[in-house]
Amino acid sequence: GAVVSQHPSRVICKSGTSVKIECRSLDFQATTMFWYRQFPKQSLMLMATSNEGSKATYEQGVEKDKFLINHASLTLSTLTVTSAHPEDSSFYICSASEGSVNQPQHFGDGTRLSIL
Amino acid sequence: GENVEQHPSTLSVQEGDSAVIKCTYSDSASNYFPWYKQELGKGPQLIIDIRSNVGEKKDQRIAVTLNKTAKHFSLHITETQPEDSAVYFCAAGGRGAQKLVFGQGTRLTINP
Repeated sequence: GAVVSQHPSRVICKSGTSVKIECRSLDFQATTMFWYRQFPKQSLMLMATSNEGSKATYEQGVEKDKFLINHASLTLSTLTVTSAHPEDSSFYICSASEGSVNQPQHFGDGTRLSIL
Repeated sequence: GENVEQHPSTLSVQEGDSAVIKCTYSDSASNYFPWYKQELGKGPQLIIDIRSNVGEKKDQRIAVTLNKTAKHFSLHITETQPEDSAVYFCAAGGRGAQKLVFGQGTRLTINP
């Protein structure tokens, strides 16, 4: 149980393109979803927390107009990297939680984004 | 805010030996401590977690201990196998925000 699917697994695109990444909880309802960014050989950096039906809460230093998050249903959240540039290249990972405090976060397998 | 320190950054052990990874946290209000295993090119996988109302939890070859007074918790892997090779992350959470703060990670290598 507790499977999170993230798609696509890899994206290569030109600078200026907007890229959408999907995160789905397959066998549970995810009241809360989280988006992380991970640089090579580094830890996970939380970008934002999203609750179904409400606006995402962004961490300090994360541009909300750059990284658009939508959590329209209890099983789907999307992250759109708008007008991507080479510095946005990274490994983006989502996680989902059933919602009450201290419920485990279950992670997707990440999206490797490469901006040329 | 919460700060989590994880040691060592790399660990190499012989197959069959035990491995121990340690984490300390700063916020005494944290009350949830998961451990994740991340293989190359994959997302982190939850392997065990512990809440502050217990001091130890075990699941087959994996155990976690928690010392709330000292604000540190440890992951113990016994009878290590080559497939245990991966990067392991500890994390701390609580305070109702559900956010986790992750340690820096430990690259564990099991030598056959």
